[in-house]
Amino acid sequence: QTVVTQEPSFSVSPGGTVTLTCGLSSGSVSTSYYPSWYQQTPGQAPRTLIYSTNTRSSGVPDRFSGSILGNKAALTITGAQADDESDYYCVLNMEIGIWVFGGGTKLTVL
Amino acid sequence: QVQLVESGGGVVQPGGSPRLSCAASGFTFSSYGMHWVRQAPGKGLEWVAFIRYDGSEKHYADSVKGRFTISRDNSKNTLYVQMNSLRRDDTAVYYCAKDNGGYGYFDYWGQGTLVTVSS
Repeated sequence: QTVVTQEPSFSVSPGGTVTLTCGLSSGSVSTSYYPSWYQQTPGQAPRTLIYSTNTRSSGVPDRFSGSILGNKAALTITGAQADDESDYYCVLNMEIGIWVFGGGTKLTVL
Repeated sequence: QVQLVESGGGVVQPGGSPRLSCAASGFTFSSYGMHWVRQAPGKGLEWVAFIRYDGSEKHYADSVKGRFTISRDNSKNTLYVQMNSLRRDDTAVYYCAKDNGGYGYFDYWGQGTLVTVSS
């Protein structure tokens, strides 16, 4: 069974830049997996940030960007702010009709 | 504006069979696929099931295949999931989410409904 991997935790200083990644236990992530990214704060529903690798969802600040870095999908936050402290999840469209979430990354801004 | 409102959660005994509903508004429900996604307490998100806009295709995560059934009533703008043979590890907040349709991602989410499997 393919596992989608994310860093369990990451920290960034206010104003700093951080890149979170989304990989596969076997193989490489490509645009054909249509990677998407979601932000979730405790007790809240997820919020859609990025879809189709690098397209920002409506209303998402341009300090959030998506890309493919090497063999992984990546979410980069440039100029991190205190309210970016959240859990971040990637999702890969593994095949028609099947989606798999990564385990999530807990981002601390301090 | 798009609204998704889940209902039907609560405390259920192991082996129980609740049905969750998701009332949709603010978009043409019959034109979009829909998903159920769940989150166990303190854990990450897990995709559960998808149904095509017309109900003609349904897909499930291995963890629920054969126990859960996703369905929809486009005349009522409502999504459902029938959950059978519930286990303690099915305890979770269940979210319904709208599929974008073009790029296959979740573009809108409900606030979720908590299902607790406990005797």
